[in-house]
Amino acid sequence: EAQVTQNPRYLITVTGKKLTVTCSQNMNHEYMSWYRQDPGLGLRQIYYSMNVEVTDKGDVPEGYKVSRKEKRNFPLILESPSPNQTSLYFCASRPDRGAVSEKLFFGSGTQLSVL
Amino acid sequence: GESVGLHLPTLSVQEGDNSIINCAYSNSASDYFIWYKQESGKGPQFIIDIRSNMDKRQGQRVTVLLNKTVKHLSLQIAATQPGDSAVYFCAEIGTGRRALTFGSGTRLQVQP
Repeated sequence: EAQVTQNPRYLITVTGKKLTVTCSQNMNHEYMSWYRQDPGLGLRQIYYSMNVEVTDKGDVPEGYKVSRKEKRNFPLILESPSPNQTSLYFCASRPDRGAVSEKLFFGSGTQLSVL
Repeated sequence: GESVGLHLPTLSVQEGDNSIINCAYSNSASDYFIWYKQESGKGPQFIIDIRSNMDKRQGQRVTVLLNKTVKHLSLQIAATQPGDSAVYFCAEIGTGRRALTFGSGTRLQVQP
Protein backbone atom coordinates (compact mmCIF):
# COMPACT_ATOMS: atom_id res chain seq x y z
CA GLU A 1 0.00 0.00 0.00
CA ALA A 2 1.30 3.42 -1.01
CA GLN A 3 1.74 5.48 2.11
CA VAL A 4 3.66 7.96 4.18
CA THR A 5 4.58 6.55 7.58
CA GLN A 6 5.44 8.69 10.58
CA ASN A 7 6.65 7.58 13.97
CA PRO A 8 5.90 7.94 16.76
CA ARG A 9 2.21 8.76 16.69
CA TYR A 10 2.34 10.42 20.10
CA LEU A 11 5.33 11.83 21.94
CA ILE A 12 5.63 13.58 25.28
CA THR A 13 9.00 15.01 26.17
CA VAL A 14 10.63 17.68 28.30
CA THR A 15 12.24 20.94 27.32
CA GLY A 16 15.73 20.53 25.92
CA LYS A 17 15.67 16.78 25.30
CA LYS A 18 16.59 16.10 21.69
CA LEU A 19 14.09 14.10 19.68
CA THR A 20 13.59 12.81 16.17
CA VAL A 21 10.34 12.14 14.36
CA THR A 22 10.80 9.73 11.50
CA CYS A 23 9.05 9.84 8.13
CA SER A 24 9.22 7.29 5.37
CA GLN A 25 7.40 7.02 2.03
CA ASN A 26 7.22 4.02 -0.29
CA MET A 27 6.10 5.84 -3.44
CA ASN A 28 9.53 6.85 -4.74
CA HIS A 29 8.57 10.51 -4.40
CA GLU A 30 11.25 13.12 -4.89
CA TYR A 31 9.59 15.83 -2.84
CA MET A 32 9.03 15.55 0.92
CA SER A 33 7.96 18.11 3.45
CA TRP A 34 7.17 18.67 7.12
CA TYR A 35 4.22 20.69 8.40
CA ARG A 36 2.97 21.64 11.80
CA GLN A 37 -0.71 22.11 12.50
CA ASP A 38 -1.89 24.44 15.24
CA PRO A 39 -5.47 25.45 16.07
CA GLY A 40 -6.60 28.42 14.01
CA LEU A 41 -3.39 28.53 12.01
CA GLY A 42 -3.82 25.72 9.55
CA LEU A 43 -0.84 23.81 8.23
CA ARG A 44 2.47 25.63 8.11
CA GLN A 45 5.51 24.29 6.32
CA ILE A 46 8.65 23.73 8.39
CA TYR A 47 11.14 22.29 5.90
CA TYR A 48 11.00 20.63 2.54
CA SER A 49 13.27 18.57 0.33
CA MET A 50 13.24 18.44 -3.44
CA ASN A 51 15.44 15.37 -3.56
CA VAL A 52 18.22 13.50 -1.78
CA GLU A 53 20.66 15.87 -0.07
CA VAL A 54 18.54 18.90 -1.07
CA THR A 55 16.64 20.58 1.75
CA ASP A 56 15.29 24.06 2.27
CA LYS A 57 13.48 26.11 4.87
CA GLY A 58 9.75 26.53 4.83
CA ASP A 59 7.77 29.20 6.62
CA VAL A 60 8.54 28.19 10.22
CA PRO A 61 11.97 26.47 10.32
CA GLU A 62 13.27 27.88 13.62
CA GLY A 63 14.11 25.19 16.13
CA TYR A 64 14.01 22.34 13.61
CA LYS A 65 16.45 20.41 11.48
CA VAL A 66 15.95 17.85 8.75
CA SER A 67 18.07 15.53 6.67
CA ARG A 68 17.53 13.66 3.42
CA LYS A 69 20.19 11.02 3.08
CA GLU A 70 17.89 8.58 1.32
CA LYS A 71 14.99 9.22 -1.01
CA ARG A 72 12.42 7.44 1.15
CA ASN A 73 13.29 8.98 4.55
CA PHE A 74 12.97 12.53 5.82
CA PRO A 75 13.39 12.76 9.60
CA LEU A 76 12.51 15.88 11.58
CA ILE A 77 14.92 16.71 14.38
CA LEU A 78 14.31 18.95 17.36
CA GLU A 79 17.71 19.51 18.94
CA SER A 80 16.35 21.35 21.99
CA PRO A 81 12.56 21.22 22.06
CA SER A 82 10.63 24.02 23.71
CA PRO A 83 6.97 24.19 24.79
CA ASN A 84 6.06 26.37 21.77
CA GLN A 85 6.89 23.37 19.60
CA THR A 86 4.00 21.47 21.08
CA SER A 87 1.94 20.77 17.98
CA LEU A 88 0.61 18.19 15.55
CA TYR A 89 3.21 17.39 12.91
CA PHE A 90 2.65 15.98 9.45
CA CYS A 91 5.06 14.63 6.92
CA ALA A 92 4.02 14.75 3.27
CA SER A 93 5.41 13.73 -0.09
CA ARG A 94 4.67 14.05 -3.77
CA PRO A 95 6.35 13.31 -7.08
CA ASP A 96 8.33 16.22 -8.41
CA ARG A 97 6.91 16.22 -11.90
CA GLY A 98 8.13 19.72 -12.53
CA ALA A 99 5.67 20.85 -9.84
CA VAL A 100 2.73 20.22 -12.19
CA SER A 101 0.64 19.18 -9.27
CA GLU A 102 0.83 20.05 -5.62
CA LYS A 103 -1.14 16.97 -4.61
CA LEU A 104 0.56 15.97 -1.39
CA PHE A 105 0.26 12.62 0.31
CA PHE A 106 0.23 13.04 4.09
CA GLY A 107 1.21 10.79 6.95
CA SER A 108 -1.13 10.21 9.90
CA GLY A 109 0.56 12.77 12.10
CA THR A 110 2.66 12.95 15.25
CA GLN A 111 1.22 14.71 18.27
CA LEU A 112 4.13 16.22 20.18
CA SER A 113 3.87 17.68 23.67
CA VAL A 114 6.88 19.47 25.14
CA LEU A 115 6.60 20.02 28.89
CA GLY B 1 0.23 39.74 3.09
CA GLU B 2 -0.95 36.44 1.76
CA SER B 3 -3.82 34.78 3.46
CA VAL B 4 -6.22 31.99 2.84
CA GLY B 5 -9.28 32.08 5.03
CA LEU B 6 -12.56 30.33 5.52
CA HIS B 7 -15.88 32.03 6.12
CA LEU B 8 -17.25 29.58 8.66
CA PRO B 9 -15.34 27.50 11.17
CA THR B 10 -18.16 24.94 11.51
CA LEU B 11 -20.84 23.87 9.06
CA SER B 12 -23.66 21.58 10.11
CA VAL B 13 -25.82 19.88 7.46
CA GLN B 14 -28.43 17.18 7.32
CA GLU B 15 -27.54 13.87 5.77
CA GLY B 16 -28.54 13.90 2.12
CA ASP B 17 -28.32 17.67 1.75
CA ASN B 18 -25.71 19.42 -0.32
CA SER B 19 -22.82 21.12 1.49
CA ILE B 20 -20.97 24.22 0.42
CA ILE B 21 -17.69 25.13 2.05
CA ASN B 22 -16.24 28.50 1.18
CA CYS B 23 -12.72 29.84 1.06
CA ALA B 24 -11.35 33.30 0.36
CA TYR B 25 -7.82 34.05 -0.73
CA SER B 26 -6.02 37.34 -1.03
CA ASN B 27 -3.15 36.75 -3.45
CA SER B 28 -4.21 37.62 -6.99
CA ALA B 29 -1.17 35.72 -8.29
CA SER B 30 -2.46 32.41 -6.94
CA ASP B 31 -2.88 30.02 -9.83
CA TYR B 32 -3.49 26.62 -8.28
CA PHE B 33 -6.00 25.63 -5.62
CA ILE B 34 -6.57 22.42 -3.78
CA TRP B 35 -9.01 21.02 -1.25
CA TYR B 36 -8.10 18.55 1.46
CA LYS B 37 -10.26 16.55 3.85
CA GLN B 38 -8.97 15.69 7.31
CA GLU B 39 -10.80 13.12 9.36
CA SER B 40 -10.24 12.89 13.08
CA GLY B 41 -6.88 11.35 13.90
CA LYS B 42 -5.74 11.23 10.29
CA GLY B 43 -3.64 13.25 7.92
CA PRO B 44 -5.19 15.45 5.24
CA GLN B 45 -6.39 13.65 2.12
CA PHE B 46 -6.57 15.16 -1.34
CA ILE B 47 -10.10 15.79 -2.60
CA ILE B 48 -9.89 17.91 -5.72
CA ASP B 49 -7.78 20.63 -7.29
CA ILE B 50 -8.28 23.37 -9.86
CA ARG B 51 -6.05 25.69 -11.84
CA SER B 52 -6.77 29.34 -12.35
CA ASN B 53 -7.57 28.84 -16.03
CA MET B 54 -10.71 26.97 -14.97
CA ASP B 55 -13.88 28.11 -13.21
CA LYS B 56 -15.25 24.74 -12.27
CA ARG B 57 -14.11 21.21 -11.85
CA GLN B 58 -16.11 18.16 -10.88
CA GLY B 59 -15.16 14.97 -9.17
CA GLN B 60 -17.17 12.21 -7.60
CA ARG B 61 -19.91 14.00 -5.60
CA VAL B 62 -17.65 17.06 -5.28
CA THR B 63 -17.39 20.22 -7.31
CA VAL B 64 -14.93 23.05 -6.89
CA LEU B 65 -15.84 26.51 -8.10
CA LEU B 66 -13.31 29.27 -8.56
CA ASN B 67 -14.23 32.94 -8.84
CA LYS B 68 -11.04 34.82 -9.55
CA THR B 69 -12.77 38.17 -9.69
CA VAL B 70 -13.63 38.08 -6.00
CA LYS B 71 -10.85 35.64 -5.04
CA HIS B 72 -13.25 33.02 -3.79
CA LEU B 73 -13.16 29.26 -3.88
CA SER B 74 -15.89 26.84 -2.86
CA LEU B 75 -16.24 23.12 -2.41
CA GLN B 76 -19.64 21.61 -3.01
CA ILE B 77 -20.44 18.14 -1.74
CA ALA B 78 -23.56 16.55 -3.14
CA ALA B 79 -25.81 14.31 -1.03
CA THR B 80 -23.65 14.70 2.06
CA GLN B 81 -23.06 11.50 3.97
CA PRO B 82 -21.93 10.82 7.57
CA GLY B 83 -18.55 9.80 6.18
CA ASP B 84 -18.10 13.34 4.90
CA SER B 85 -17.82 14.63 8.47
CA ALA B 86 -14.32 16.07 8.70
CA VAL B 87 -12.33 19.28 8.60
CA TYR B 88 -11.89 20.67 5.10
CA PHE B 89 -8.94 22.81 4.11
CA CYS B 90 -8.39 24.90 1.07
CA ALA B 91 -4.86 25.71 -0.04
CA GLU B 92 -3.34 27.78 -2.79
CA ILE B 93 -0.05 28.52 -4.44
CA GLY B 94 1.16 30.90 -7.07
CA THR B 95 4.06 31.31 -9.41
CA GLY B 96 7.34 31.81 -7.61
CA ARG B 97 6.16 30.57 -4.26
CA ARG B 98 7.63 27.48 -2.73
CA ALA B 99 4.75 25.91 -0.90
CA LEU B 100 1.01 25.72 -0.54
CA THR B 101 -0.62 28.21 1.82
CA PHE B 102 -3.32 26.46 3.82
CA GLY B 103 -6.47 27.92 5.29
CA SER B 104 -7.38 27.21 8.89
CA GLY B 105 -10.12 24.75 8.03
CA THR B 106 -13.89 24.33 8.25
CA ARG B 107 -15.41 21.53 10.27
CA LEU B 108 -18.30 19.82 8.49
CA GLN B 109 -20.76 18.03 10.75
CA VAL B 110 -23.33 15.78 9.12
CA GLN B 111 -26.50 15.27 11.16
CA PRO B 112 -28.37 11.99 10.66
